Amino acid sequence: GAVVSQHPSRVICKSGTSVKIECRSLDFQATTMFWYRQFPKKSLMLMATSNEGSKATYEQGVEKDKFLINHASLTLSTLTVTSAHPEDSSFYICSVMGQGISYEQYFGPGTRLTVT
Amino acid sequence: DAKTTQPPSMDCAEGRAANLPCNHSTISGNEYVYWYRQIHSQGPQYIIHGLKNNETNEMASLIITEDRKSSTLILPHATLRDTAVYYCIVRGTGGGADGLTFGKGTHLIIQP
Repeated sequence: GAVVSQHPSRVICKSGTSVKIECRSLDFQATTMFWYRQFPKKSLMLMATSNEGSKATYEQGVEKDKFLINHASLTLSTLTVTSAHPEDSSFYICSVMGQGISYEQYFGPGTRLTVT
Repeated sequence: DAKTTQPPSMDCAEGRAANLPCNHSTISGNEYVYWYRQIHSQGPQYIIHGLKNNETNEMASLIITEDRKSSTLILPHATLRDTAVYYCIVRGTGGGADGLTFGKGTHLIIQP
């Protein structure tokens, strides 16, 4: 499987500020990465699909101007939460697509965002 | 992607086999069954996947019924560290690289 890291693991920010979360594929080049978020006691919800060298594809209801995704290299995708508000507090998790033909995904450890 | 149904929670004694069921009666021919688990406050972990044959790896075994309408994930010798939420996900590969749709999963609790 793939090894995926995220940074930071936890972040606390004030309302109105922006926060950048990094997702790195450490052991292979990932053309596709995904971003999910998870609210307390809920399942993961897909936010967007990040494709290297092109614009991200966002799920319905996810504001692309608020959640900026950049996938400038085959090993790094970033998610920037702009003008964060307390309701954006959540667990943000990225994943990379495996190299097999059956498209299994490998997830990062997650980033806990708290907006005060 | 086909919908899946899992029991919300299960208990299993440490050292015993944990058998987690999943119903996916509307699965279509090109859809795989994937299993992931999420330990509290961590990212999900890929466990295993299969199409129609039974599969085994170092973590678990996956038994898929002949009609493919249900499957069972087997953890042969459960340990306390296997306590987690287990997700059964069915999805096809015809659409290429798509994100996963997570249901509520089964919260497996391993009892000492």
